[in-house]
Amino acid sequence: KAGVTQTPRYLIKTRGQQVTLSCSPISGHRSVSWYQQTPGQGLQFLFEYFSETQRNKGNFPGRFSGRQFSNSRSEMNVSTLELGDSALYLCASSPGTGPYEQYFGPGTRLTVT
Amino acid sequence: DQQVKQNSPSLSVQEGRISILNCDYTNSMFDYFLWYKKYPAEGPTFLISISSIKDKNEDGRFTVFLNKSAKHLSLHIVPSQPGDSAVYFCAASDPGGDYKLSFGAGTTVTVRA
Repeated sequence: KAGVTQTPRYLIKTRGQQVTLSCSPISGHRSVSWYQQTPGQGLQFLFEYFSETQRNKGNFPGRFSGRQFSNSRSEMNVSTLELGDSALYLCASSPGTGPYEQYFGPGTRLTVT
Repeated sequence: DQQVKQNSPSLSVQEGRISILNCDYTNSMFDYFLWYKKYPAEGPTFLISISSIKDKNEDGRFTVFLNKSAKHLSLHIVPSQPGDSAVYFCAASDPGGDYKLSFGAGTTVTVRA
């Protein structure tokens, strides 16, 4: 099976702009979770989508939003970018119906200048 | 509120010796625990997991121990190899939270030749 893919891999944006990141899960997986990783902060949970519905949400401002399509692909959007949004954004997929391990994509490195 | 804690940010070990990584959690509802390994510029890779009904799980050089009463788990790597140099994340799954994963901040392992 193909793994989790994320596009783009690298992105440079300016403060105030908005950005959309994309994630394609492993075939058959219905859950997609998004995480932000910054140095020393570990993996901060953003949100999780399951069958096109947001099922869990972390403690991030409303500038961070997402959606999931009927084919389980997911997008994450960040509006009005701030310098502090510079991070590695990771998505992970799982079957979503039990305590299964999540499989991560390679991440999108976002730099805000 | 950090429910999963890895109190050692780094660990240095000689090649061939044992690496022991520790993780503590506060939520007694967690019932499934996982360890991930992450290299720079890559997504985390699943290593090993353990259910709360067990106290030990072994997979090759990797063994995870769970002490439910102490809310503590550890990962043993024996023998340590240079390719084990990476960041290791502990994670826990909450069945009451739709199996959302909570991650620790990570421990950077350096294996010395």
